[in-house]
Amino acid sequence: EIVLTQSPGTLSLSPGERATLSCRASQSVSSSYLAWYQQKPGQAPRLLIYGASSRATGIPDRFSGSGSGTDFTLTISRLEPEDFVVYYCQQYGSSLRYTFGQGTKLEIK
Amino acid sequence: QITLKESGPTLVKPTQTLTLTCTFSGFSLSTSGVAVGWIRQPPGKALEWLALIYWDDDKRYSPSLKSRLTITKDTSKNQVVLTMTNMDPVDTATYYCAHRHPLNAFDFWGQGTMVTVSS
Repeated sequence: EIVLTQSPGTLSLSPGERATLSCRASQSVSSSYLAWYQQKPGQAPRLLIYGASSRATGIPDRFSGSGSGTDFTLTISRLEPEDFVVYYCQQYGSSLRYTFGQGTKLEIK
Repeated sequence: QITLKESGPTLVKPTQTLTLTCTFSGFSLSTSGVAVGWIRQPPGKALEWLALIYWDDDKRYSPSLKSRLTITKDTSKNQVVLTMTNMDPVDTATYYCAHRHPLNAFDFWGQGTMVTVSS
C-alpha cells in the first residue's frame, strides 16, 4: 500500500504570502492519479487539483499543483484569508486502491 | 448538477453492524465509467478511503477493513449502501460518500454523516 506523507504538518504564513505544501509517496505514483483537496471546518473536502496539476472546476488560479514520481507540491501563490484551512493529497495506485495523506494545516502567522 | 447525501444511524453500539446509504442525483451508476466511493474521517483526524463501487458492479475495499465492509448499489433508486460489521468506538467518524472523477479523484462529496460508536 502506498503511504502519502504530507509536510509540514502545520504551516504558518501571512495573507498575501506564497504557500508550498508537500506530498511525498512511499512508491512512485502516476501523475494522472494524484489529487489535492481543501477542507474547511465542518465541511466536506473540496477537490482542488486532479492529475497532479489540473485545477478542478471553479478553483481559483492561485492554486497550482506540480510534481511527479514520489514528490508532489500544492502551491498557493497569494494567500487569501479563506485559504487558512486543511489540505490533503490523495493517490490512486496500481493496487487499485486509494490513500490520503495525513493533511497539512495552514494557519495565520 | 451532481449531489450526494448520506443517511443512517448517528449512534451504534459496539459489535453492531452499521448500514449507511448514499442517495445521489445528477448521474447514473449504470453509465460506463461511473463510480461512487465511501471515505471516513474520525474527529480531528485525516481522511480514510473505505470502499468504491463501479458501474459494472466491480468493487474495491480498503485492505485494512476489507473483512468488515460490503458495498452495494441499487441503480434504480440511485443509491449506494455501505455496511460495516463489528463496529468499535475507533470507528466513530464522519462518513462521506463521493462521486469518482474519471482520473480517480473524488469531485463531488456528500455533506457527511457523523456516526458515534458507544454503548
